[in-house]
Amino acid sequence: DAGITQSPRYKITETGRQVTLMCHQTWSHSYMFWYRQDLGHGLRLIYYSAAADITDKGEVPDGYVVSRSKTENFPLTLESATRSQTSVYFCASSDRAYGYTFGSGTRLTVV
Amino acid sequence: DQQVKQNSPSLSVQEGRISILNCDYTNSMFDYFLWYKKYPAEGPTFLISISSIKDKNEDGRFTVFLNKSAKHLSLHIVPSQPGDSAVYFCAASPTGANSKLTFGKGITLSVRP
Repeated sequence: DAGITQSPRYKITETGRQVTLMCHQTWSHSYMFWYRQDLGHGLRLIYYSAAADITDKGEVPDGYVVSRSKTENFPLTLESATRSQTSVYFCASSDRAYGYTFGSGTRLTVV
Repeated sequence: DQQVKQNSPSLSVQEGRISILNCDYTNSMFDYFLWYKKYPAEGPTFLISISSIKDKNEDGRFTVFLNKSAKHLSLHIVPSQPGDSAVYFCAASPTGANSKLTFGKGITLSVRP
């Protein structure tokens, strides 16, 4: 099915653990993004990618790592999870013509 | 420094009435503006957009107005329906394309039956 999918939908992890959130899109959109949504902050950009092997930091990149070896995948890794990274994470893609399309989100809880 | 501001966190309106959601921005380089709607447990979905060469864009019940001199835009929903109850995010881009959008904090709209 065409679209953008995120996995897992829900994740609970312990402080200090490494965790990877997956994002896959089927449109071959050039641009992909990771946002986090927190109460009182709205949507804040973590990292984005303009094409395969091209990534750049957004507003809140600390503690996160991304890679984009293939156009369709854009995983987000928390190297050593902290409680402040408890959030809802949204991946999005764009072809720069029709706006962002968001995934359904991953709710991450760090305990 | 917040470049896109949605200063009212919530709005409650009666079904059938007009909903007006406001958004202010500070970055003069922004020239493309969008509204996204978000239901609980779902990702945001694109609603309507406007470029800086226009001052109004209409799509069915939804109209967005842009006042560049005031750096202000608003989303009007007429008539409001209970299914419109959601969080609405204002977003802006400096390029005219849709990459690297900057989002506001969102407004929770509740439409009372």
